[in-house]
Amino acid sequence: GESVGLHLPTLSVQEGDNSIINCAYSNSASDYFIWYKQESGKGPQFIIDIRSNMDKRQGQRVTVLLNKTVKHLSLQIAATQPGDSAVYFCAENFPYNNNDMRFGAGTRLTVKP
Amino acid sequence: DTAVSQTPKYLVTQMGNDKSIKCEQNLGHDTMYWYKQDSKKFLKIMFSYNNKELIINETVPNRFSPKSPDKAHLNLHINSLELGDSAVYFCASSHLDEQYFGPGTRLTVT
Repeated sequence: GESVGLHLPTLSVQEGDNSIINCAYSNSASDYFIWYKQESGKGPQFIIDIRSNMDKRQGQRVTVLLNKTVKHLSLQIAATQPGDSAVYFCAENFPYNNNDMRFGAGTRLTVKP
Repeated sequence: DTAVSQTPKYLVTQMGNDKSIKCEQNLGHDTMYWYKQDSKKFLKIMFSYNNKELIINETVPNRFSPKSPDKAHLNLHINSLELGDSAVYFCASSHLDEQYFGPGTRLTVT
């Protein structure tokens, strides 16, 4: 399943399916992006990052794709598991504002067994 | 061996009170942050401190004041609490780009 994360939409997938979570970022000067996972009652946790000189980066079961032309970022989760249920945030850096990271609105992923 | 810790985890207080939330990191990071997460899960940066110097101060009311006694601590003081201050507050720290977050403090103002 896919989602566009702007106002905390919900993405619901079956266990074992692949998930795609999308993010539109705002700053064309951003050159570093991070995906975070936030489980209920916990703080955000780093998943994977990508720099603007790349358009794809793979981790364990996760892949991040970056399209700078349309300022779009996506997180693909392969073989989604119940433990992947969480809110996912993309974050972009602001190089001209002390390089602080700004978070998107988040997407809630629910995995059905 | 907790990396970023916050106390208290829950804080319930009345309007008009003054309260503090404490944050400590044992990662040796140079920069610490405070974020506010509202009921819609939107995360907004409030402050960051680098080597005891405030380098970001978003449009946050001056009732909120960060205080850093040393590089490992960044406490958040809030004066004259208002209903709209109810949220989850996260502390984070970083060395370069990746930020490590604490478990959060849920503040409820009644």
